[in-house]
Amino acid sequence: DTAVSQTPKYLVTQMGNDKSIKCEQNLGHDTMYWYKQDSKKFLKIMFSYNNKELIINETVPNRFSPKSPDKAHLNLHINSLELGDSAVYFCASSQIGDYGYTFGSGTRLTVV
Amino acid sequence: AQSVAQPEDQVNVAEGNPLTVKCTYSVSGNPYLFWYVQYPNRGLQFLLKYITGDNLVKGSYGFEAEFNKSQTSFHLKKPSALVSDSALYFCAVRDLGGFKTIFGAGTRLFVKA
Repeated sequence: DTAVSQTPKYLVTQMGNDKSIKCEQNLGHDTMYWYKQDSKKFLKIMFSYNNKELIINETVPNRFSPKSPDKAHLNLHINSLELGDSAVYFCASSQIGDYGYTFGSGTRLTVV
Repeated sequence: AQSVAQPEDQVNVAEGNPLTVKCTYSVSGNPYLFWYVQYPNRGLQFLLKYITGDNLVKGSYGFEAEFNKSQTSFHLKKPSALVSDSALYFCAVRDLGGFKTIFGAGTRLFVKA
């Protein structure tokens, strides 16, 4: 049973396209996150939802839009993809009062 | 603003020797501190955390970390390194009452047989 699952695992697409990455967790956690890991392995938080409410919205281009249909799902939609969007995107979840994260295995996005 | 620093890009250690991966932090209040490990092409895995209490925290795979408030440090340690410990290690900090966990730049641990 995968605790935090992301799809797809790999995504290769052309500049200008729109793509989505999906994330689901079966841990019953109430908070979910999107992190971006660049080529130097630096991790930067992008968004966080707590019980479907957006609580963290870092300075990212508005081409990136998260959606949380319920507390077990957090999707990331990216419009008009650019070369600089190439990275590994990680979904994570945590429970209020614990704060340790459970990460998904990542989605490697390559924009060509 | 909270921040975390990992001063070493890479740590090299021989198998069987003790290892230390360094981390210092800066937060406005009491910190929540974490260590995670990332193996190639995998997501991060939680190793251990400090919230309150004993300054020496024990975690997964024989790792432990020592919280030092005066030095604002949270170094990761293991008494005897294994080749399989070779991976990328991230220190992270979250301030009490905050929503964000900030990760350090990562330290690559290389354990030689």
